[in-house]
Amino acid sequence: EPEVTQTPSHQVTQMGQEVILRCVPISNHLYFYWYRQILGQKVEFLVSFYNNEISEKSEIFDDQFSVERPDGSNFTLKIRSTKLEDSAMYFCASSERAGVGAETQYFGPGTRLLVL
Amino acid sequence: AQKVTQAQTEISVVEKEDVTLDCVYETRDTTYYLFWYKQPPSGELVFLIRRNSFDEQNEISGRYSWNFQKSTSSFNFTITASQVVDSAVYFCALSEARLGNTPLVFGKGTRLSVIA
Repeated sequence: EPEVTQTPSHQVTQMGQEVILRCVPISNHLYFYWYRQILGQKVEFLVSFYNNEISEKSEIFDDQFSVERPDGSNFTLKIRSTKLEDSAMYFCASSERAGVGAETQYFGPGTRLLVL
Repeated sequence: AQKVTQAQTEISVVEKEDVTLDCVYETRDTTYYLFWYKQPPSGELVFLIRRNSFDEQNEISGRYSWNFQKSTSSFNFTITASQVVDSAVYFCALSEARLGNTPLVFGKGTRLSVIA
């Protein structure tokens, strides 16, 4: 069964460093998302992406964040200068298409980011 | 604004007991989708069900059943004859029904512990 994959599974970085989180969405999916989950808290939407551009972003997704689809398979989230409060689990998700309605989003296993 | 409330933070049951996880939502949309996701200790988010606001029929899938009550804005999830493998955090989520990307709004989750 096709699944969303994410690398790395864990990343430890120093405050102020740049990190890139990578995702490979399900191959025939067209819509991509990033969410984050601070430890013990709820899952929060960061950004959605379609047709090589951002569709929607939340207040969390400030200028420190960027997303890119550098090739036909990868979808990346970059944090330019990490802060302690960026420590969280980051989930990538994808959905198949835009029908009239919310398509199911399938999530990857997550990348646990720890900023020291 | 959309909001999902899962009032039960933690629930513990003994194996084989039935357990119901509550979800109450708020939205101004007349058409929307509701979801349940499971997050086992390994951390990934596993899709369980999607329900259209027009479809108020209850659904059963094996030991899982869902009760959607539009009149009370609730979408409750029942596990019958619970098993240790059901131990996880369960998230209810809501999204608009429109074309394009539809960010999920999650509740804070209910941690279910099933004790052998």
